[in-house]
Amino acid sequence: KAGVTQTPRYLIKTRGQQVTLSCSPISGHRSVSWYQQTPGQGLQFLFEYFSETQRNKGNFPGRFSGRQFSNSRSEMNVSTLELGDSALYLCASSLLPSGNTIYFGEGSWLTVV
Amino acid sequence: AQKVTQAQTEISVVEKEDVTLDCVYETRDTTYYLFWYKQPPSGELVFLIRRNSFDEQNEISGRYSWNFQKSTSSFNFTITASQVVDSAVYFCALSEEAGGYNKLIFGAGTRLAVHP
Repeated sequence: KAGVTQTPRYLIKTRGQQVTLSCSPISGHRSVSWYQQTPGQGLQFLFEYFSETQRNKGNFPGRFSGRQFSNSRSEMNVSTLELGDSALYLCASSLLPSGNTIYFGEGSWLTVV
Repeated sequence: AQKVTQAQTEISVVEKEDVTLDCVYETRDTTYYLFWYKQPPSGELVFLIRRNSFDEQNEISGRYSWNFQKSTSSFNFTITASQVVDSAVYFCALSEEAGGYNKLIFGAGTRLAVHP
């Protein structure tokens, strides 16, 4: 059974650009959430999607957005990139948002120069 | 407010030593889940265990064991006879019913180095 798949794995962007990261959850999983990991702030929750609706949102500026498609795949977008957006972005999936086990992908390493 | 504290930033042991990673949490919720994840250098968070707030039974899985004590709000993780492959950063996390369950609150992590 395939795990959570994230693409791309590594990318370098310039300040001011935008970036889109993609996540395919484990087959059958309908809840997808995103996290940002930085050395200074640790692991922080960005948002969660279930049935194509944003169910929960962390404390991030509006430059961070996401969406979920009918096949449960999800994308997150960061516009007007800043140096501080350099981070590992992790996607996680679970069957339902009801206390099920949450599985993570390998992450997308974003460097903003 | 909800919070997870992993007081040990780094632990260094020699292979075959036992090591315990501490996790203390704060929550006002009565229904919550606690998790442990392992993060190797590749970056992926590898799921180790999930425990709900109503199940205080300790669990053992091979060389790994977990001690959940609601009275002290702790969920500690012990690795018996550590191996070099156990070297990684370990995260404890909390999810609450009030937070919708899938919003994980992570501790800062404990970096474990196991030396041959």
